[in-house]
Amino acid sequence: DSGVTQTPKHLITATGQRVTLRCSPRSGDLSVYWYQQSLDQGLQFLIQYYNGEERAKGNILERFSAQQFPDLHSELNLSSLELGDSALYFCASSGPGLATDTQYFGPGTRLTVL
Amino acid sequence: DQQVKQNSPSLSVQEGRISILNCDYTNSMFDYFLWYKKYPAEGPTFLISISSIKDKNEDGRFTVFLNKSAKHLSLHIVPSQPGDSAVYFCAASALQGAQKLVFGQGTRLTINP
Repeated sequence: DSGVTQTPKHLITATGQRVTLRCSPRSGDLSVYWYQQSLDQGLQFLIQYYNGEERAKGNILERFSAQQFPDLHSELNLSSLELGDSALYFCASSGPGLATDTQYFGPGTRLTVL
Repeated sequence: DQQVKQNSPSLSVQEGRISILNCDYTNSMFDYFLWYKKYPAEGPTFLISISSIKDKNEDGRFTVFLNKSAKHLSLHIVPSQPGDSAVYFCAASALQGAQKLVFGQGTRLTINP
């Protein structure tokens, strides 16, 4: 158990809908990262938050947005969903902000768009 | 543009022998490298890392080797155990700037009894 929790575990929805994925980082961790793993793909970095502020952005679609709240949990919002958004979404957290901080991953949320 | 590549989608090794997983990268800005292991229905678990100032790092049965001139790293597992059967991801980052990890596509390692 990494200490990172993600809810829900599974999500099935229809095209055009909007969903919210939630992540609680390990106790004491200030950074939260979101990654997407599509079928047969490696993990693709989406976005990083550090202590409530956006720190880095990857290949995140404009239909996707995220935020980190004062209690440091984070939410990833996916809207106008398309079939191709079906994937595993992982959240990771890391410590005080050093470049070599290990990222600890949650168990993921499997999103299926029908 | 695949900046981190794991060219072997799968690898099968006998229990007790050495497993060698390979990874190549193209971005010369990468200076920190990690290996993660992933079981089905779980998130990736950190295994071992190496910074570009070293060419080898060892942790128990796991050793990572870095060849900067070839932009190549490898993970050696010896001896291999059945519990090592998993998907292994190589990841890289540039220590200057954001901490985002760039992952390879993974290699599925199967340890046969």
